[in-house]
Amino acid sequence: AQTVTQSQPEMSVQEAETVTLSCTYDTSENNYYLFWYKQPPSRQMILVIRQEAYKQQNATENRFSVNFQKAAKSFSLKISDSQLGDTAMYFCAFMTYNSNYQLIWGAGTKLIIKP
Amino acid sequence: GAGVSQSPSNKVTEKGKDVELRCDPISGHTALYWYRQSLGQGLEFLIYFQGNSAPDKSGLPSDRFSAERTGGSVSTLTIQRTQQEDSAVYLCASSSSPGTTKNIQYFGAGTRLSVL
Repeated sequence: AQTVTQSQPEMSVQEAETVTLSCTYDTSENNYYLFWYKQPPSRQMILVIRQEAYKQQNATENRFSVNFQKAAKSFSLKISDSQLGDTAMYFCAFMTYNSNYQLIWGAGTKLIIKP
Repeated sequence: GAGVSQSPSNKVTEKGKDVELRCDPISGHTALYWYRQSLGQGLEFLIYFQGNSAPDKSGLPSDRFSAERTGGSVSTLTIQRTQQEDSAVYLCASSSSPGTTKNIQYFGAGTRLSVL
């Protein structure tokens, strides 16, 4: 079975600090996508960043970057210069190239940015 | 353009009643997904629609759950004879290109269902 594990239920950092959220996954597939989504109190899932497994280069989107270690099946999210608006639940998700492209989700990490 | 729209935003019902949850995807998106998010947990896949193909219902937890998608656009998730364990946030997502490198799912704000 394919699973996604987020081992940090909650994290908090001071504004402007850098924070890293951990994610590991388990699959026998070789081709897949990995995602980080953010869910603020409004409940709407917002895509933060995504990575294709065949790409060795780590994805970057402004202050957000990932450390993708395919052999270790690890996909961590680094947030630099954290802002109060980054406070949210963060979910790691995984998708294979199978017939329905469903996302398989971790349990989430609650991130609190303190002023 | 407009994003994924879900209604109602919140729904409170009594145990045993039927409920209908609506999802209006982004215009032109051929793929539509329903997920369930129980308190403090990640999302659980329920059902997937792609164009005019038969839906993938492999995630529906029981035969009390059903969904349809009319005209390849709006979808309705129906829960019959609701139980307290059905209480959760139900999220809908749509995607324009599920089989390509542009495969990104865009989500609505969900419906919070509370069964008393």
